[in-house]
Amino acid sequence: GESVGLHLPTLSVQEGDNSIINCAYSNSASDYFIWYKQESGKGPQFIIDIRSNMDKRQGQRVTVLLNKTVKHLSLQIAATQPGDSAVYFCAERVVFGNEKLTFGTGTRLTIIP
Amino acid sequence: SQTIHQWPATLVQPVGSPLSLECTVEGTSNPNLYWYRQAAGRGLQLLFYSVGIGQISSEVPQNLSASRPQDRQFILSSKKLLLSDSGFYLCAWGGLAGPPDTQYFGPGTRLTVL
Repeated sequence: GESVGLHLPTLSVQEGDNSIINCAYSNSASDYFIWYKQESGKGPQFIIDIRSNMDKRQGQRVTVLLNKTVKHLSLQIAATQPGDSAVYFCAERVVFGNEKLTFGTGTRLTIIP
Repeated sequence: SQTIHQWPATLVQPVGSPLSLECTVEGTSNPNLYWYRQAAGRGLQLLFYSVGIGQISSEVPQNLSASRPQDRQFILSSKKLLLSDSGFYLCAWGGLAGPPDTQYFGPGTRLTVL
């Protein structure tokens, strides 16, 4: 079936460096994507989203890139801080008006002081 | 602003006992509501979602059930817990009060079945 997956389950980055977390999706009909951050023992927190009619969107220290040609989504975090250590999930909505999101398995980002 | 609450925060229950987890949302009307389960170190599995009072869609066969007795209240229940029901249960809301496609999560309930 259709799925959202991640290339790397873990990622370690030196504090202050930039990090890139990748996500692959398989359904070309997906029209909306979200990145969530989940700290240990807490619920996922919305970070940034992007619609399929865009290829880039920026937030505060975060940028999401969407490459529809290869069905790839990435989250870039600039100047990483210890508080960025968490599990990051991508999620996709497959069909317009569908209330459901499909989540990837997550990437654990560890910031090394 | 919208807030979402879940309780209890943690729960330890014996196998075969009943379960009731509650989720409430404030600051919005007619939200879509969702129950997810997250096993340790894993992703999110959608269990139920609701687009209105009394309207429940089940995503996976299981011994859990959900109810929505009020617009902003979503309850997850079981008559007899199994060991495999252990996990982190997350409630989420989505809908017109925010970006219509985004879901916002509560703090979660950690359930351990012994």
